Amino acid sequence: QVQLVQSGAEVKKPGASVKVSCKTSGYRFIAHYIQWVRQAPGHGLEWMGWIDPNSGGTNFAPKFLGRVTLTTDTSNTSAYMELSRVTYDDTAEYFCARAGGGAGDFWGQGTRVTVSS
Amino acid sequence: EIVLTQSPDFQSVTPKEKVTITCRASQTIGSNLHWYQQKPGQSPKILIKYASQSISGVPSRFSGRGSGTDFTLTINSLEAEDAATYYCHQSSSLPFTFGPGTKVDIK
Repeated sequence: QVQLVQSGAEVKKPGASVKVSCKTSGYRFIAHYIQWVRQAPGHGLEWMGWIDPNSGGTNFAPKFLGRVTLTTDTSNTSAYMELSRVTYDDTAEYFCARAGGGAGDFWGQGTRVTVSS
Repeated sequence: EIVLTQSPDFQSVTPKEKVTITCRASQTIGSNLHWYQQKPGQSPKILIKYASQSISGVPSRFSGRGSGTDFTLTINSLEAEDAATYYCHQSSSLPFTFGPGTKVDIK
C-alpha cells in the first residue's frame, strides 16, 4: 500500500535551516510528483511547491522562492524539503503528499516545526 | 495566483442533514478542483478529485460537482464522523492554492 512517512518534530532558532524528509513506499516513486503543504497552528493549508522525482524539476509558491529547496533521492524513494532562514511565522505542521495528477492523493503524517529562541 | 473562496466558513449540522459547501475560483480552472477532509490532529484526506471523481474507500454520501469557477461538495445524510474542516484545492495553474476551509460541526 502507498505510504509516506515523514521525519520527526524539529525545534529551530530564528535564522536557522530545517530539513524535513518524506520516505515513500508502495508505488513507483518517479511516476508521481511530491507536493509540500504547510499548516500554521489554527490556520488553513498552504501550498509550498512540488518536485518531479523523475527530472528534479520544481515549482514553488512565490512566497517561498529562494528560501525552500526541494530534492529527492530516487535510490531511497525519499523526498526532502529544506527551509532556510526560518522565522517565528514558519512554525507550522509540514506535510508531503503524493500528487495523483494535481490532487494530493496520499499524505504523510506531518512534521511539526517549531521556531523558538 | 488563483484565489479560492469557500462558503460558509462554518456550519453546525444535525446528523442525517444534507450539507453543501461551495468553492469559487477567481478565474476559470476547468475541472481541476479537489476536495479534502481534515480532522484535528490528522493529515488531510482526499474526498473528491477533478471536481466530481469519486475516490476508492470514500463513502458514497460525499459527492462533488461543478466546472469553470463554481464548485460544490455535498455530504448527503451527514454522520457524526463527518465533523471536520473541508478544503478545496486547485491544480489548474501554478502555484496551486487551497481554499480557506469550511468547518462542519455536529449539533
